[in-house]
Amino acid sequence: KQEVTQIPAALSVPEGENLVLNCSFTDSAIYNLQWFRQDPGKGLTSLLLIQSSQREQTSGRLNASLDKSSGRSTLYIAASQPGDSATYLCAVTNTNAGKSTFGDGTTLTVKP
Amino acid sequence: DVKVTQSSRYLVKRTGEKVFLECVQDMDHENMFWYRQDPGLGLRLIYFSYDVKMKEKGDIPEGYSVSREKKERFSLILESASTNQTSMYLCASSSGVGAPGTQYFGPGTRLLVL
Repeated sequence: KQEVTQIPAALSVPEGENLVLNCSFTDSAIYNLQWFRQDPGKGLTSLLLIQSSQREQTSGRLNASLDKSSGRSTLYIAASQPGDSATYLCAVTNTNAGKSTFGDGTTLTVKP
Repeated sequence: DVKVTQSSRYLVKRTGEKVFLECVQDMDHENMFWYRQDPGLGLRLIYFSYDVKMKEKGDIPEGYSVSREKKERFSLILESASTNQTSMYLCASSSGVGAPGTQYFGPGTRLLVL
């Protein structure tokens, strides 16, 4: 059974700092890995999707990498801003019907 | 833009009531999902569907059923609501059976069962 772990559970940084969020998974037979952002009381917003054949994806200040062999992904946020404060979740898709396993998330606070 | 809508943002029901949660997506996606999210337990899959009238159990299907009569609509049914079903319910959709794509989520329904 796939297990997804995100470390740290919470992170607090000053504005402007570059930071890395970590996601690890136990079964490397995946279709893709997705990073989401969730604001309190809201749904999830997709940030980046990395297919299993890819190594990384970039969108603006965000860069996600995938190393299937080691079961790891990182989300790099450059020049963090207070508006980046949210919970970040990673999800691994295990089946061709899109069934995913989610991590518990990292709650990020960026202080002005 | 992909849009996934859920019928209610907040819902209050009584124990034993039958509850319907509706989800609609406008991107012709094959796959649709129902999750619940609880503090300390994360996001857990209840049911998913990869085609009209097709459904599969997720990790916690007990006490729930689903219906998918049309491609764009996926309904979650609580047959007899109980207090332990108080939760945030999230619907999602994605394209590509065989090559699953990005999952898009609705805004969520916060259900309180009294």
